[in-house]
Amino acid sequence: DTAVSQTPKYLVTQMGNDKSIKCEQNLGHDTMYWYKQDSKKFLKIMFSYNNKELIINETVPNRFSPKSPDKAHLNLHINSLELGDSAVYFCASSYARGGTDTQYFGPGTRLTVL
Amino acid sequence: GDSVTQMEGPVTLSEEAFLTINCTYTATGYPSLFWYVQYPGEGLQLLLKATKADDKGSNKGFEATYRKETTSFHLEKGSVQVSDSAVYFCALTLPNFGNEKLTFGTGTRLTIIP
Repeated sequence: DTAVSQTPKYLVTQMGNDKSIKCEQNLGHDTMYWYKQDSKKFLKIMFSYNNKELIINETVPNRFSPKSPDKAHLNLHINSLELGDSAVYFCASSYARGGTDTQYFGPGTRLTVL
Repeated sequence: GDSVTQMEGPVTLSEEAFLTINCTYTATGYPSLFWYVQYPGEGLQLLLKATKADDKGSNKGFEATYRKETTSFHLEKGSVQVSDSAVYFCALTLPNFGNEKLTFGTGTRLTIIP
């Protein structure tokens, strides 16, 4: 059984387009995250939600908008895509807030902007 | 701010060699410390963690001890295998609400030669 799943796995699109990435977790966790991994493999938090409430928003351009319809889903919508948005985007989830819990990661979505 | 400094890679070892990947951190408060592993083309998996000083995390022959006095969490394995080839990330989280993000080091690429 897949614990944290993301769709699509690969996304190739043109500059200026709008795209969405979906994430679902079946672990019963309350907290979900989006991380961005750049071409040098560096990972950085973008957003975090707890029970559908936004709790972390790290200086991410307004073109990125997360949406959490319920606590098992966290989607990422990106408007007006730019070349610099090309990266691998990872969704993750954890049981509770507080930092000691393990975060479980999805397989990633590789976004390529042409 | 909080940060993780990791040994620069890439690291290439022969099978059955001893492995150490250094990791030090800077944090306000008492972080939890993690090692995640990313196999080629996959998402991140938790390898081991430690949530308080002097704790030792271990898994699959890997070990790391939380050393508060040296602010370190070095990863070790006594005898590496080809299947250990991956990118290894040291990371921390803080226990306070509203700051549950993982702060990652830059990653260390490990290649094991038969």
